[in-house]
Amino acid sequence: DIQMTQSPSSLSASVGDRVTITCRTSQNIASYLNWYQHKPGKPPKVLIYAASSLQSGVPSRFSGSGSGTDFTLTISSLQPEDFATYYCQQSYRTSLTFGPGTTVHIK
Amino acid sequence: EVQLVESGGGLVQPGRSLRLSCAASGFTFDDYPMHWVRQAPGKGLEWVSGISWNSGNIDYADSVKGRFTISRDNAKKSLFLQMNSLKVEDTALYYCAKVAYDSNGYYAHLANWGQGTLVTVSS
Repeated sequence: DIQMTQSPSSLSASVGDRVTITCRTSQNIASYLNWYQHKPGKPPKVLIYAASSLQSGVPSRFSGSGSGTDFTLTISSLQPEDFATYYCQQSYRTSLTFGPGTTVHIK
Repeated sequence: EVQLVESGGGLVQPGRSLRLSCAASGFTFDDYPMHWVRQAPGKGLEWVSGISWNSGNIDYADSVKGRFTISRDNAKKSLFLQMNSLKVEDTALYYCAKVAYDSNGYYAHLANWGQGTLVTVSS
């Protein structure tokens, strides 16, 4: 199985801040990495797929980078609606894996 | 518009069984792999199981292997999860999710999700 880690596990930030979340995998997954945003009471929403492709309808302040084993999700200017938990997920294998999540809190 | 509606959740005793369903609409169901993902109370997302478009490829998380069975009925545009020998730790909100691909057809992601159905395993 492909193991995934995320850092930090949580962070506090202010509106307008630049936020970076890191995801690391236990083996090379090329660009088979997706990022999701999850808010309480709602289903998860895909933000980034294939490591750096922005899902249709997602604001351009979200961006993804990386390949191999190290990946990054960046929010260029945090907005009030961005306070949520973010998960990375690999699709290199059909047995999918999610990272443990990063919760973004209001400072 | 893609719609996924889960049903079948409820309160069940440990060791008993439950069958979840996911009704799909708004897309050609038999063109896409489907997955079940769950979230236990206070925990993160956990992938449970996935099935290819023709049921030829099926995968399970180690935590449910041998107890859960995923299936689909393409004629009825439905996805199922048969859960046997349920444990307290199976308590979670269960989502069904539809796969989408990038424009080249290589990179899969879970583009559409249902609202989830709650399974509570307790005596």
